[in-house]
Amino acid sequence: EPEVTQTPSHQVTQMGQEVILRCVPISNHLYFYWYRQILGQKVEFLVSFYNNEISEKSEIFDDQFSVERPDGSNFTLKIRSTKLEDSAMYFCASFAFENTEAFFGQGTRLTVV
Amino acid sequence: GENVEQHPSTLSVQEGDSAVIKCTYSDSASNYFPWYKQELGKGPQLIIDIRSNVGEKKDQRIAVTLNKTAKHFSLHITETQPEDSAVYFCAASIPQGAQKLVFGQGTRLTINP
Repeated sequence: EPEVTQTPSHQVTQMGQEVILRCVPISNHLYFYWYRQILGQKVEFLVSFYNNEISEKSEIFDDQFSVERPDGSNFTLKIRSTKLEDSAMYFCASFAFENTEAFFGQGTRLTVV
Repeated sequence: GENVEQHPSTLSVQEGDSAVIKCTYSDSASNYFPWYKQELGKGPQLIIDIRSNVGEKKDQRIAVTLNKTAKHFSLHITETQPEDSAVYFCAASIPQGAQKLVFGQGTRLTINP
């Protein structure tokens, strides 16, 4: 069964450092998303990406965040200068067409110390 | 924007009994309602979904009902088993723009043997 893969599974970083979270979506999918889940809270939308550009972003996705699909397979989320409150589980998701199943990766647990 | 509320936050049932989780949504334009199961350390996995042109959908022990007028939908799990223990999230999606999923707060379901 096809799956979305994310690396690393856990990242610990110092406040103020840059981090890059990586995702390999399912190969024929066209829509890519990043979601975030702070411990014990709901899964929150961060950003969607389609046709090589951001199609929508949430209030959380400020200037410290960026996304890229550098080589047609990887999909990355960069946090330029991490803050303590960025500590969360970050999920990548992809789906093929509108209103079809979204496949989620296993997540990257980001801990900012 | 869309807001999804989910109840209860925790649910404990005896093995073999049924479990029901309920969600309400705010935007009448939402037309896709998936349910995700999240096991410890893993990403959300789709277990069943329903679209607004259908009132009920069933897949073995799992069923989802949708009431568009009242803007609520429910997950029903019958003959519960220990492996059903997990956190369950409902979500709603509007078919415009990025079609992002808006999640409920999650329900921690515990099946007692």
